[in-house]
Amino acid sequence: AQSVTQLGSHVSVSEGALVLLRCNYSSSVPPYLFWYVQYPNQGLQLLLKYTSAATLVKGINGFEAEFKKSETSFHLTKPSAHMSDAAEYFCAVSEPSGGYQKVTFGTGTKLQVIP
Amino acid sequence: DTAVSQTPKYLVTQMGNDKSIKCEQNLGHDTMYWYKQDSKKFLKIMFSYNNKELIINETVPNRFSPKSPDKAHLNLHINSLELGDSAVYFCASSQGQFPNYGYTFGSGTRLTVV
Repeated sequence: AQSVTQLGSHVSVSEGALVLLRCNYSSSVPPYLFWYVQYPNQGLQLLLKYTSAATLVKGINGFEAEFKKSETSFHLTKPSAHMSDAAEYFCAVSEPSGGYQKVTFGTGTKLQVIP
Repeated sequence: DTAVSQTPKYLVTQMGNDKSIKCEQNLGHDTMYWYKQDSKKFLKIMFSYNNKELIINETVPNRFSPKSPDKAHLNLHINSLELGDSAVYFCASSQGQFPNYGYTFGSGTRLTVV
């Protein structure tokens, strides 16, 4: 069974500092992996996705994530945090299950950016 | 134009009432979903329809009944509302049954049962 673990429910960084949000997954088959961002009172927006092509994936708003099979990780990074990055971030894994694709979300990491 | 739109955005109702949430997507996607996000932000899938056919039906009380009149619409009807139904309900869509390109989410319906 697949699962997603996001380490740290809250992460605080200073404006301009590196953002690192951690995601580890378990999956019985090569997975598809996603990062979504949720701003207050809004739906989730796709940041980036890994679908077995390049292991370093670039997304919107300057975010990127690296798929590391040996570590079963898909951590999200951004070199320099901006105030507008403050939001909730969700990692998700998708794999075949019973004839359809099942998506499991992590419990989310709230990013706070300190001026 | 909003890609995935849900109505209403907010819904406050009393226990025991019946209510519906509507969802429409204009992306031409084949598959639509209902997710429930609880107070701890945990997202759990409830239902999925592919071309009007129910393909995912997770462990959800029978009081919840989805309906898909066509592939662009997926509605959620809830009977006999309970306090525990209070949550944010998200509609989403994807191209095909295999959301390997990710979901497109609506902005959510915040349901409060009092």
